[in-house]
Amino acid sequence: EADIYQTPRYLVIGTGKKITLECSQTMGHDKMYWYQQDPGMELHLIHYSYGVNSTEKGDLSSESTVSRIRTEHFPLTLESARPSHTSQYLCASSGETTSTDTQYFGPGTRLTVL
Amino acid sequence: GQNIDQPTEMTATEGAIVQINCTYQTSGFNGLFWYQQHAGEAPTFLSYNVLDGLEEKGRFSSFLSRSKGYSYLLLKELQMKDSASYLCAVRDRYSSASKIIFGSGTRLSIRP
Repeated sequence: EADIYQTPRYLVIGTGKKITLECSQTMGHDKMYWYQQDPGMELHLIHYSYGVNSTEKGDLSSESTVSRIRTEHFPLTLESARPSHTSQYLCASSGETTSTDTQYFGPGTRLTVL
Repeated sequence: GQNIDQPTEMTATEGAIVQINCTYQTSGFNGLFWYQQHAGEAPTFLSYNVLDGLEEKGRFSSFLSRSKGYSYLLLKELQMKDSASYLCAVRDRYSSASKIIFGSGTRLSIRP
């Protein structure tokens, strides 16, 4: 069973605010990912990390930034939230502890920017 | 690049069997995943195939043919709680950090 956590689960915030979405995993996975998903739409990778101090942009351009200072922690930050950022943000992690390197997802943060 | 195709919607009857197909194109296949996603929730891992053949896990089975670029997810003895989207995802050996590309998902509705 996956042990990956995201906070907050729901966030409603005004335009222009700075926000940080938290993601933590206790599985010792080296790789972590952030996806964005609008209701009924497909998942889009926006950031990923190989390990500590490594971050890369994903396939979908995003104004958010990420950091990876500790293995278990991969926060995502929006410096100035806008209504176009309204979406569900899903964090995932994977590691070669199993042969499949399967990605396991956190519960997600549903962000609404007014 | 990668391309994944799966039907947008399917409907099936409680207690029946349903097969959800997925076709893919990739330059260096390195595994196929099936995830289940209930509305408003995160995807949960169902199965993984990297070699040809059938993988069975309880009521769910997944099949892979690498030469055909084809997979299916078979759900038996359908229950109402199986109403969800089913996502096919493919990993390319040339992608970094074990990235996987997700298909758009198949929304499965179960009727009584």
